[in-house]
Amino acid sequence: KNQVEQSPQSLIILEGKNCTLQCNYTVSPFSNLRWYKQDTGRGPVSLTIMTFSENTKSNGRYTATLDADTKQSSLHITASQLSDSASYICVVRGQAGTALIFGKGTTLSVSS
Amino acid sequence: GAVVSQHPSRVICKSGTSVKIECRSLDFQATTMFWYRQFPKQSLMLMATSNEGSKATYEQGVEKDKFLINHASLTLSTLTVTSAHPEDSSFYICSARIVTSTDEQFFGPGTRLTVL
Repeated sequence: KNQVEQSPQSLIILEGKNCTLQCNYTVSPFSNLRWYKQDTGRGPVSLTIMTFSENTKSNGRYTATLDADTKQSSLHITASQLSDSASYICVVRGQAGTALIFGKGTTLSVSS
Repeated sequence: GAVVSQHPSRVICKSGTSVKIECRSLDFQATTMFWYRQFPKQSLMLMATSNEGSKATYEQGVEKDKFLINHASLTLSTLTVTSAHPEDSSFYICSARIVTSTDEQFFGPGTRLTVL
């Protein structure tokens, strides 16, 4: 069964600290993996999209990694800000043209 | 990135009424749009795929007669929740797809539906 599992479910960190969110997937075949940020009451906003051949992709303070062999991805947030408080969702697309498979997300709370 | 809008952002209605939600791609044309539903602390669940000029494709368990989808133009898809009931209260999110090598999807800001 195609699944996307994220950990931790929630995380609280102090402003300025770094953190890493994990995503494991069992989707096969695999087309690409995306990380989205979803603020409360808003739609998801894309942070990164990585294909099979990409190992690392950065977007400002966000850096995503992908290991297609072990089917694992991580999202590293550097120097966290209060505005980083949100849900971070890992999404995998399997075979081209098929529906996206969503993880349940990690809720990040950044406190001052 | 591309912009997708939804209207209204929030709606409260009485049980038994119908509610229409609009999803627009503002700066690009989208032959395919998607409708999702999200319950509190849950992930997005795909309800249906909306294709311009043709009938929508519904996911298993989603009643097509209750959730009417119309995709009459390349920039507009609408979702009508007919005879809404309290259990239909949820956060409804649309997305529009741009056909590229990665099949990027851009999400709307969502519509919070509360049925009293």
